[in-house]
Amino acid sequence: LAKTTQPISMDSYEGQEVNITCSHNNIATNDYITWYQQFPSQGPRFIIQGYKTKVTNEVASLFIPADRKSSTLSLPRVSLSDTAVYYCLVEGRDDKIIFGKGTRLHILP
Amino acid sequence: GAVVSQHPSWVICKSGTSVKIECRSLDFQATTMFWYRQFPKQSLMLMATSNEGSKATYEQGVEKDKFLINHASLTLSTLTVTSAHPEDSSFYICSARKASGANVLTFGAGSRLTVL
Repeated sequence: LAKTTQPISMDSYEGQEVNITCSHNNIATNDYITWYQQFPSQGPRFIIQGYKTKVTNEVASLFIPADRKSSTLSLPRVSLSDTAVYYCLVEGRDDKIIFGKGTRLHILP
Repeated sequence: GAVVSQHPSWVICKSGTSVKIECRSLDFQATTMFWYRQFPKQSLMLMATSNEGSKATYEQGVEKDKFLINHASLTLSTLTVTSAHPEDSSFYICSARKASGANVLTFGAGSRLTVL
């Protein structure tokens, strides 16, 4: 079973900031939090990974509170091309990777 | 960056034939590769975990004699769908994890299998 819970779907508008929250109440000490993006008929693509506090890269930010029981992926100023499914995964180094249902993000013009 | 090549990207075959899908890590060594299948509008379902030089570990409900996985080297894993039937039609995706470093998966582009 997947270790995470996310909203099934979200809608937003172009130019807005989108925040997708993921719950992982049973996260283990050696688990990292990783987000992937998937477009239809393509393999998932890595977005960002973090362990605690805040991580930022060129496409997104990841906010992780001190208890690490949740995380929030923040996409700044989204565009239509950000319409995709976003998966939050929590896994240790040697774990098999189980996907949850993901969040289907739909960006409107 | 890490690249995983998966081919064929699509294949159509007749019922009863076998199809092989290849997954290669092009610029890194992958001690572990994962194989997934995905139905329309659904999430990725893990089929098996493949470790170089050892037998694959299959998830419950996945027939190991039907979905043959071979991981002969640190850069190549193959999935063979044997005696394919229409219900095996799906999108198959492989992913590879680097031998060391960050616990990040690199995915192939996927293979669309259609069994007539």
